[in-house]
Amino acid sequence: DAGVTQSPTHLIKTRGQHVTLRCSPISGHKSVSWYQQVLGQGPQFIFQYYEKEERGRGNFPDRFSARQFPNYSSELNVNALLLGDSALYLCASSFAGYYGYTFGSGTRLTVV
Amino acid sequence: AQTVTQSQPEMSVQEAETVTLSCTYDTSESDYYLFWYKQPPSRQMILVIRQEAYKQQNATENRFSVNFQKAAKSFSLKISDSQLGDAAMYFCAYRKDRYSGAGSYQLTFGKGTKLSVIP
Repeated sequence: DAGVTQSPTHLIKTRGQHVTLRCSPISGHKSVSWYQQVLGQGPQFIFQYYEKEERGRGNFPDRFSARQFPNYSSELNVNALLLGDSALYLCASSFAGYYGYTFGSGTRLTVV
Repeated sequence: AQTVTQSQPEMSVQEAETVTLSCTYDTSESDYYLFWYKQPPSRQMILVIRQEAYKQQNATENRFSVNFQKAAKSFSLKISDSQLGDAAMYFCAYRKDRYSGAGSYQLTFGKGTKLSVIP
């Protein structure tokens, strides 16, 4: 079985640009969560979606948005990129949001 | 708000020896889950072990075991017979057990401990 798939694996963007990160959960998993991991830190919670509805939002500005599609895949969008948005973005899926989470390998975003 | 503290930024252990990684947390909840995740250079967070707060018995998974002290809010990870493949960042994480509104099931992570295994 395929695990959690994230794309792209790496990308470089310029300040002020917009970026879209994608996540495909494990088959059968209905919940997707997004985390930001700055170098040298633990992951920080950004969003959780379950059955296409937002179930939680971390302390991130409105430049960050997300959505979940009918097939339970998800997109994380970040507008007006700042240098401080450079990080590893991790996606985690779970069956119902309260069972164990399985993480993807992340997208490494570099903002220059 | 819940916080998770890992006071050891780096640890090292000889191959085949035992090492203990420390974690403390702060919460006002009585029901919650605690986790240890491993993050190798491949970046994927891998679940090592999970502990339910209502269980008094410490969780074990092969060479990995925890010492869960609920009153002290302490949750340490012991790795026995350390192997080269155990070298990685280790993160302690907390999650509520009961749904109490948006964000209830988010994971709160510590800053991590980098474990090196010396051949």
